[in-house]
Amino acid sequence: DAGVTQSPTHLIKTRGQQVTLRCSPISGHKSVSWYQQVLGQGPQFIFQYYEKEERGRGNFPDRFSARQFPNYSSELNVNALLLGDSALYLCASSLSPTRGTGELFFGEGSRLTVL
Amino acid sequence: QQQVKQSPQSLIVQKGGISIINCAYENTAFDYFPWYQQFPGKGPALLIAIRPDVSEKKEGRFTISFNKSAKQFSLHIMDSQPGDSATYFCAASARSNDYKLSFGAGTTVTVRA
Repeated sequence: DAGVTQSPTHLIKTRGQQVTLRCSPISGHKSVSWYQQVLGQGPQFIFQYYEKEERGRGNFPDRFSARQFPNYSSELNVNALLLGDSALYLCASSLSPTRGTGELFFGEGSRLTVL
Repeated sequence: QQQVKQSPQSLIVQKGGISIINCAYENTAFDYFPWYQQFPGKGPALLIAIRPDVSEKKEGRFTISFNKSAKQFSLHIMDSQPGDSATYFCAASARSNDYKLSFGAGTTVTVRA
């Protein structure tokens, strides 16, 4: 079975540009979460979506937005990129945020470099 | 603020030795404590997890010890192998918060052959 897939795997942007990252969850999983991992640190929670509704948002500015589609895939958008947005962006999927076991399965991430 | 504190930042162990990583938390609502293993260029992979109703869980060479009263938990890697060289993250989440994970800062483990 395919795991969580993310695209693109690597991308380079310049300050002020906008980026869209994509995620397909494990088949049967209805919840998608996004995490930011800066080099040398643990992942930080950005968003959680379940059944196309936002279930939570971490301490990130409004430049970050996301959505979930009817097929449970998701997009993360970041506007007006800053150098500090350079990071590995991880998508994780789970069965359900409330009825599940808490297990999150991560993709391999999208490595964003902002110049 | 960081809700889960992890130590040490890095450790080196000889092949066959024991690696021990410690984590502490403050939020008593946490009820799920997973450990993730991450290799360079890859996403974190779930290694083992524990819930507060048990004090220890073992899967192969990996054991989690959990001390609810002290709000601490640790990962023991027995008979460490070079293939175990990776970064390990402890994490915690709560059903009441839809299992949003709070991660520790990570421990880089190097196993010398």
